[in-house]
Amino acid sequence: ETGVTQSPTHLIKTRGQQVTLRCSSQSGHNTVSWYQQALGQGPQFIFQYYREEENGRGNFPPRFSGLQFPNYSSELNVNALELDDSALYLCASSLGAGVSTTNEQFFGPGTRLTVL
Amino acid sequence: QKEVEQDPGPLSVPEGAIVSLNCTYSNSAFQYFMWYRQYSRKGPELLMYTYSSGNKEDGRFTAQVDKSSKYISLFIRDSQPSDSATYLCAMSALRGGFKTIFGAGTRLFVKA
Repeated sequence: ETGVTQSPTHLIKTRGQQVTLRCSSQSGHNTVSWYQQALGQGPQFIFQYYREEENGRGNFPPRFSGLQFPNYSSELNVNALELDDSALYLCASSLGAGVSTTNEQFFGPGTRLTVL
Repeated sequence: QKEVEQDPGPLSVPEGAIVSLNCTYSNSAFQYFMWYRQYSRKGPELLMYTYSSGNKEDGRFTAQVDKSSKYISLFIRDSQPSDSATYLCAMSALRGGFKTIFGAGTRLFVKA
């Protein structure tokens, strides 16, 4: 069984650019959540995808968007990058998004994005 | 007021001490309560998971949830230098897409 993987590990962009971050879920998991973790803060929920559909969204603007693919891997896209977007971006996979699930999430190592 | 409050520390203890970490919250809809450990430059690692109120023990770790007081705790017995990390509490409600809300994390240092 493989764990959650993310790519790239580090990324440097300039203000106004666009970025795509990638995540591969743990084997057997069909739900992916994305989080933004600023330095010294806890992760903040961006959105969740369940079976390729957005299943919930946090307080982030529309320039943060995502995709989930049939193999349950996922992308996070951020347009018009701002300096405050500099953070560690984490994805977490879990099994299911319905009432019967345990909601346990397993995190990847994250992608550290720096916006200059 | 944040939905989840957690003292950022840092908390420094000698090896072998009992560590107590706490979070308070304001949303009575939260049903699932988690503790994560995060080492520097790594993703969070799930330590403990509790549904609703009560206690749960796993080795040196004990998680307590008091929903009436909106207060959760993590106890670490016989703390080791390898326990030095940031500890994040997290919680989510039954509805709302299982959006998980994290505390800011408490930095723990265990001195040998």
